Amino acid sequence: GEDVEQSLFLSVREGDSSVINCTYTDSSSTYLYWYKQEPGAGLQLLTYIFSNMDMKQDQRLTVLLNKKDKHLSLRIADTQTGDSAIYFCAEGGGKLIFGQGTELSVKP
Amino acid sequence: DAGVIQSPRHEVTEMGQEVTLRCKPISGHNSLFWYRQTMMRGLELLIYFNNNVPIDDSGMPEDRFSAKMPNASFSTLKIQPSEPRDSAVYFCASRGETQYFGPGTRLLVL
Repeated sequence: GEDVEQSLFLSVREGDSSVINCTYTDSSSTYLYWYKQEPGAGLQLLTYIFSNMDMKQDQRLTVLLNKKDKHLSLRIADTQTGDSAIYFCAEGGGKLIFGQGTELSVKP
Repeated sequence: DAGVIQSPRHEVTEMGQEVTLRCKPISGHNSLFWYRQTMMRGLELLIYFNNNVPIDDSGMPEDRFSAKMPNASFSTLKIQPSEPRDSAVYFCASRGETQYFGPGTRLLVL
């Protein structure tokens, strides 16, 4: 069935780049998404990529999509302490399938 | 646009009581989703509607849970009777081209 996998934790130093990885199984998804959840808050849509694209850049965020390997990644350049949150990747058509989230910890 | 609106934001109730969570989706969105989030189980999809019609309720944990969408601008998720294991954050989300989440309702059942 449909499944989305992420590593659970990532720790980086302030100013470094963060790379959060995700693998998925449903190759028919039109879009793939990244959401950010700060403590005590809802999920905020960060960015998304159309499935016929390889890369999308939005300020400090770069999304890379490898359809052959069904691998999605989110790169955050110049990571700040305010980027500390849980990041979810999601794919799907009618309903989104979410990964279990990657907790990003940014140390000063 | 105010985004997805949920009420109440916090609810504390006693076991056995009825709980009703409310959601107003973003105007023009034709899909609405109810999720539950806990530390143990993560984010779970409970049910979703397309054009006010329930499409997939396979995530609803048991008969104590019910959801309705009487019109395009309102949905409820009801738990009757509530149990301590229902304690969680319940999110509503709506989707047009992309999916947006509400701020959630934090439910504590004592």
